[in-house]
Amino acid sequence: QITLKESGPTLVKPTQTLTLTCTFSGFSLSTSGVGVGWIRQPPGKALEWLALIYWDDDKRYSPSLKSRLTITKDTSKNQVVLTMTNMDPVDTATYYCAHASDGGYCTNGVCYSYWYFDLWGRGTLVTVSS
Amino acid sequence: DIQMTQSPSTLSASVGDRVTITCRASQSISSWLAWYQQKPGKAPKLLIYKASSLESGVPSRFSGSGSGTEFTLTISSLQPDDFATYYCQQYNSYSFTFGPGTKVDIK
Repeated sequence: QITLKESGPTLVKPTQTLTLTCTFSGFSLSTSGVGVGWIRQPPGKALEWLALIYWDDDKRYSPSLKSRLTITKDTSKNQVVLTMTNMDPVDTATYYCAHASDGGYCTNGVCYSYWYFDLWGRGTLVTVSS
Repeated sequence: DIQMTQSPSTLSASVGDRVTITCRASQSISSWLAWYQQKPGKAPKLLIYKASSLESGVPSRFSGSGSGTEFTLTISSLQPDDFATYYCQQYNSYSFTFGPGTKVDIK
């Protein structure tokens, strides 16, 4: 059974750096075709993808937030850490981590990757306020 | 960046209704689309991936279709547990975008 749980501060001050940890079980992030992503949701608003780290340590970021984000993994601890610098009140949101799977395929010697989030943590609300 | 739109933004329906939600991408994404259901205070739940593949454990009244830039999520007979907000999500070139959501509420 796959589970994910987010942890970190509930309150940060403007300009501070946010560090969130996703602790998971039921899978290994060293297995091919597996990733862990971060997605956030401001109160009453839509979901926004932030970052994803793949089993091979490849990392991808939202273009609009790339300069502020860093994602890392510790395979031995089954953890993924997201840091976001220079926090602002508009970053107030529930932050989710999620297991990502590759539903792609190979045909005629060409492989296509397609990633989606099939299991999510419960999320953690982070408020940015002085 | 690929932008996603959803229509309608809110949908009022009754139990037993057939419900259709549309998601459009600003450029072709082949079949690289997923649908999620989210209830208040809860994490999103995957319903459909690769446009039309039903996630394990999801009731068969949910179905997805489409390719390219236009996609639909259909609930064949709305159940009380289905009142929620639905999001589409595209994947393209190592980047993800979610749609703005469609809230399905009780008529």
